Amino acid sequence: GAGVSQSPSNKVTEKGKDVELRCDPISGHTALYWYRQSLGQGLEFLIYFQGNSAPDKSGLPSDRFSAERTGGSVSTLTIQRTQQEDSAVYLCASSLWVPRTLRSSGANVLTFGAGSRLTVL
Amino acid sequence: DAKTTQPPSMDCAEGRAANLPCNHSTISGNEYVYWYRQIHSQGPQYIIHGLKNNETNEMASLIITEDRKSSTLILPHATLRDTAVYYCIVRPPGAGNTPLVFGKGTRLSVIA
Repeated sequence: GAGVSQSPSNKVTEKGKDVELRCDPISGHTALYWYRQSLGQGLEFLIYFQGNSAPDKSGLPSDRFSAERTGGSVSTLTIQRTQQEDSAVYLCASSLWVPRTLRSSGANVLTFGAGSRLTVL
Repeated sequence: DAKTTQPPSMDCAEGRAANLPCNHSTISGNEYVYWYRQIHSQGPQYIIHGLKNNETNEMASLIITEDRKSSTLILPHATLRDTAVYYCIVRPPGAGNTPLVFGKGTRLSVIA
C-alpha cells in the first residue's frame, strides 16, 4: 500500500479483556516496529521484526503483550487482560531492509502509521 | 544511540524561519543525525538526515557544525501546520534497521 495502515483507529475496552491491534506495513518493507505513546509522553519501543529473524521483544512491558508477523507482512499486537495503564496510542512503523554493506549509509527511514488509540475503562 | 539534548519548547512566528537546535556532543565519527516530527494525533514523520555536510530537501535544511557536536534544523518559512514535536536522533554505525530511540524532542509552536 501507499502507507502504513493500522486498525482499529480507536478501541475502547473493559479492564481484563483482550485486544488485538493490526498493522499493514508498506509493501516491500521487511522491518516492522511497534511503539506506544501514553498521553503526553514520548514514544516507547515495544517490539521489532526484521525479515525471518527472531523478533526483538526487549521493549515489551509485560508477558501480557505479544506480537506476531505472518508471512513477513501484516503484524498483530495482542494485549491480554488489559489494564488501565495500557491506555495509549499504539504506533506501527515499517522500513526497508538495509543491506549489511550499506549499514553505514544510515538510510534507516521509518514510516509510521496513524496509530491505534486504546482506552481501557 | 548517542545522547541528544533539545530545548523542550520553542515559539516561532508564522512565515519566519524556525531554527531548532540539537546538541549531540558525544556523537561518533560515522553516526548520522536524523530529524523526525510528530504533529498532534499523528505518527512521527521523517524530515531529513545527514552526516557531515549540510542537507536540504523540500521540507527543511539541516546544518551540522564542523565538529559535529551540534546541529540545527531549519524550517525556512514556518506555517501553522509545522506546529509539532521535533525529534533529533543520532544513530550509531551498523545500526541497520534496529529501532530508533525517541527522546522528548522540542515542541514547536508556530504562532499566527
